[in-house]
Amino acid sequence: DTAVSQTPKYLVTQMGNDKSIKCEQNLGHDTMYWYKQDSKKFLKIMFSYNNKELIINETVPNRFSPKSPDKAHLNLHINSLELGDSAVYFCASSPTVVTYEQYFGPGTRLTVT
Amino acid sequence: DQQVKQNSPSLSVQEGRISILNCDYTNSMFDYFLWYKKYPAEGPTFLISISSIKDKNEDGRFTVFLNKSAKHLSLHIVPSQPGDSAVYFCAASGRTYKYIFGTGTRLKVLA
Repeated sequence: DTAVSQTPKYLVTQMGNDKSIKCEQNLGHDTMYWYKQDSKKFLKIMFSYNNKELIINETVPNRFSPKSPDKAHLNLHINSLELGDSAVYFCASSPTVVTYEQYFGPGTRLTVT
Repeated sequence: DQQVKQNSPSLSVQEGRISILNCDYTNSMFDYFLWYKKYPAEGPTFLISISSIKDKNEDGRFTVFLNKSAKHLSLHIVPSQPGDSAVYFCAASGRTYKYIFGTGTRLKVLA
């Protein structure tokens, strides 16, 4: 049973395209997150949703738009992809917003050419 | 501005010996600290945490020490096993519920 799953695992696309990454958790958690791990291995938070409500929105280009159709899903849509968007994107969830331990998905490696 | 630093990108330790991974932070508002372990092609998995009201937390072979005055924490693994070979991230959080991660230390346990 996969607790936090992401699709696709790998994504190769060209500059200017629009793409989406999907995340689902079957843990019954209230809070979900998107992180970006860049080439320098920094793992940085991008967004967080609690019960479908956006609670953390870091300084991220507005080409990135998260969507939470329900509390088990948090998708990430990226418009007009740029070379600098190449990274590994991790989805995570936690039982509540005040629960510190997070459960991560396996990551999606995005390569923009 | 890197608020959480792991200055050792890699560490090699003999099986059965102690592994010590270090982490420094700059923000005095951080009050909760975590360690994550990451294998290749997988997401990070939670290992152990410590609140700022404590200076030590132990879970089996893993112990985390917190020195608030030095803004330093460390993870001790005793005894180290080959399966412990992974990248270890420390993370810190304050009242914003945001995690700030370090860049990781790659631990290699030699059999």
